[in-house]
Amino acid sequence: AQSVTQPDARVTVSEGASLQLRCKYSYSATPYLFWYVQYPRQGLQLLLKYYSGDPVVQGVNSFEAEFSKSNSSFHLQKASVHWSDSAVYFCALSMTNTGKLTFGDGTVLTVKP
Amino acid sequence: GPKVLQIPSHQIIDMGQMVTLNCDPVSNHLYFYWYKQILGQQMEFLVNFYNGKVMEKSKLFKDQFSVERPDGSYFTLKIQPTALEDSAVYFCASSLVQGYTGQLYFGEGSKLTVL
Repeated sequence: AQSVTQPDARVTVSEGASLQLRCKYSYSATPYLFWYVQYPRQGLQLLLKYYSGDPVVQGVNSFEAEFSKSNSSFHLQKASVHWSDSAVYFCALSMTNTGKLTFGDGTVLTVKP
Repeated sequence: GPKVLQIPSHQIIDMGQMVTLNCDPVSNHLYFYWYKQILGQQMEFLVNFYNGKVMEKSKLFKDQFSVERPDGSYFTLKIQPTALEDSAVYFCASSLVQGYTGQLYFGEGSKLTVL
């Protein structure tokens, strides 16, 4: 069965620092991959997605993610974080093109001023 | 941006009672979804719905669960009767098109506590 693992439950970084949030998946083929963010008192919002092509995908708010088939990973990165990036970040995959997503546990990001 | 509204944000009920969770999707969206997140666990897919029909459901979508969208209004999740294990946060989502090319918009969740 497919699964998504986000090994870091909580990450704290200083404003202006670079960021990497890790995501590993388990699936026999290349799945559809997504990163969502949930800001306080809001619904999940799509940051970026990947299925094929350039393994580095750009998303909103200067986030990007890199797909690695050999490592079964889809790590999220940002060169310089802002305090407003504090939120919960979810990695997700879909095996089919139906909107049925399998989510990771989420990573709580805290950006210190 | 587009918003999905969920009502109520929190409901407490006794085991065995019926509960209806309401979702006001993005106005022109055609596909609707419910996800369930038990405290401390991953968010899990329950069901998706299109053109008045359930398209796909998971094993979590028990016989006591039903969904509908009467007259194009709220997309509802009804649980009758409720059980203790139904305590969770339920997230509604909607999309204009299905799958990867579409984008799911999620609500803030409805927290259900079954006593």
